[in-house]
Amino acid sequence: KAGVTQTPRYLIKTRGQQVTLSCSPISGHRSVSWYQQTPGQGLQFLFEYFSETQRNKGNFPGRFSGRQFSNSRSEMNVSTLELGDSALYLCASSLGDRSQETQYFGPGTRLLVL
Amino acid sequence: QKEVEQDPGPLSVPEGAIVSLNCTYSNSAFQYFMWYRQYSRKGPELLMYTYSSGNKEDGRFTAQVDKSSKYISLFIRDSQPSDSATYLCAMSAWGNQAGTALIFGKGTTLSVSS
Repeated sequence: KAGVTQTPRYLIKTRGQQVTLSCSPISGHRSVSWYQQTPGQGLQFLFEYFSETQRNKGNFPGRFSGRQFSNSRSEMNVSTLELGDSALYLCASSLGDRSQETQYFGPGTRLLVL
Repeated sequence: QKEVEQDPGPLSVPEGAIVSLNCTYSNSAFQYFMWYRQYSRKGPELLMYTYSSGNKEDGRFTAQVDKSSKYISLFIRDSQPSDSATYLCAMSAWGNQAGTALIFGKGTTLSVSS
């Protein structure tokens, strides 16, 4: 079974621009969660989508948004980029039925904001 | 006080040593406990998953959870150079009223020398 895939793997943007990251979950998984990883703060939860609806949200500004499509693929958007948004953005998928919520991570998208 | 505390290391051991990695937490609602391994420039890989208190063994890895002390551990026996990575503890309070967000420690960097 194919794992979680994320595109693109690397991105360089400048301050003020916006960016869209994509995540394809493991086949059959309906939940997609997004995390930001930085050396200073570690891994922090951004939000979770299940059945095209945001089910949970972390403590990030509204510049960070996401959506999920009917095939469970998800996108994350960051508008008005700031230098501090430079990070590894990870997506994780799970079944979503809350019986055993093991989350499997993709390789991440490394974003550099200049 | 952060919800999850983890000593960042680095931790350096010789091949064959027993490694002990630990996390403490403050939220008594946490019920699900995980250990992830992350190699450089890769996404986290799930190693161990434990529900509530107790021990779980998988090959050279043993996970322990002590909810009364809010303390979790991962033991690696007969450590190998291929175990050199960052180890992240993660936990969550899943349920209908709780989100599926994983709360991570900042990770411990382990180096096993041959």
